[in-house]
Amino acid sequence: DVKVTQSSRYLVKRTGEKVFLECVQDMDHENMFWYRQDPGLGLRLIYFSYDVKMKEKGDIPEGYSVSREKKERFSLILESASTNQTSMYLCASSLWGVKSYGYTFGSGTRLTVV
Amino acid sequence: DAKTTQPPSMDCAEGRAANLPCNHSTISGNEYVYWYRQIHSQGPQYIIHGLKNNETNEMASLIITEDRKSSTLILPHATLRDTAVYYCIVRVAEGSSNTGKLIFGQGTTLQVKP
Repeated sequence: DVKVTQSSRYLVKRTGEKVFLECVQDMDHENMFWYRQDPGLGLRLIYFSYDVKMKEKGDIPEGYSVSREKKERFSLILESASTNQTSMYLCASSLWGVKSYGYTFGSGTRLTVV
Repeated sequence: DAKTTQPPSMDCAEGRAANLPCNHSTISGNEYVYWYRQIHSQGPQYIIHGLKNNETNEMASLIITEDRKSSTLILPHATLRDTAVYYCIVRVAEGSSNTGKLIFGQGTTLQVKP
């Protein structure tokens, strides 16, 4: 069964810590995405990558960076975590081309910054 | 900003068809309509997508109006497990700068009742 795996389901970090959220897909997808989801705000795109070492900013990139050194892995980095980054983070991947069956999402990482 | 408009909530009786509407009056000729759903505490799940023809798969049917300004997702025999938030999304075709991006709106919360 193909899937997108996020390394942690729940995470608690302290303000100012550097936080790494890891995402791995086993479908050989070119595109990978990071979203955050907050009540009343829905899913918002943080960053995406369409190839190894390639990245583009989404709608809310401030306070985040990403790394894609290998095709199957896309990491989201919070350089200095803040309480307003407490959220559900969702990773997704897709093939390049709309003939694909859309995105496949991971189960999410619920991050709490205290 | 999301390019679709959906009712915030709907109810459906178990075993009956659930018809979820979506307006996308500004859709462009190269934009597909995608439907996803998100069950509580899980990542969104792909349901179906289409360009201008009606589509059907094992999960649902998608009816797109001739002018493509609106569509309806049909779950033919809703079950309690179909209770979720349903997102209607327009997605540009490959070749544009918005490679594969999905922009989520607020979606429709479907409550299937016994």
